[in-house]
Amino acid sequence: ETGVTQTPRHLVMGMTNKKSLKCEQHLGHNAMYWYKQSAKKPLELMFVYSLEERVENNSVPSRFSPECPNSSHLFLHLHTLQPEDSALYLCASSQEVSGSSYNSPLHFGNGTRLTVT
Amino acid sequence: GEDVEQSLFLSVREGDSSVINCTYTDSSSTYLYWYKQEPGAGLQLLTYIFSNMDMKQDQRLTVLLNKKDKHLSLRIADTQTGDSAIYFCAESPNTPLVFGKGTRLSVIA
Repeated sequence: ETGVTQTPRHLVMGMTNKKSLKCEQHLGHNAMYWYKQSAKKPLELMFVYSLEERVENNSVPSRFSPECPNSSHLFLHLHTLQPEDSALYLCASSQEVSGSSYNSPLHFGNGTRLTVT
Repeated sequence: GEDVEQSLFLSVREGDSSVINCTYTDSSSTYLYWYKQEPGAGLQLLTYIFSNMDMKQDQRLTVLLNKKDKHLSLRIADTQTGDSAIYFCAESPNTPLVFGKGTRLSVIA
């Protein structure tokens, strides 16, 4: 079993649907992340939950809504998406040390390939 | 701001060495990382180097860091077809990791 598990692996949804992506980490880490990977663009950090702090990229539209009920689980709730939101959504986790500011390597899941029709 | 630049493509023959280069902007980065992404998969941590080191070797992988020029390279010795993937450089300023666009390595048999 991989350290970071994402479900589903593939998702096709219409623009009016509501769906959720799920991520679970089995590494005992205390920080979790959502990244968006689109073709020919750098990886885009969407949200971070670290040491009970939530950090978000202000450019992420409100149709993406994260939820982190505990340090092992992370969700990304999707509603009224646009075709340009089609991408690979990657979850990652890390073990952050208070006061060291994101110096730990990230461990990624295999991603959810999202297609918005 | 933070920015990581990489060339987009590299093609090498099987058995040759591959060198993937990266430049970064934030001199406060404590660690610099190399990740590998195979088709249909997430990013896999390959190796990383602490910013006060010049070189790190791990089996077929050699990482060189020129902190003055903010230049990082990854050398893969005896490149194999299984090394075909996208390689990402990442820096760690006082924010979550900042990634480059990735270098697609193609290995020709």
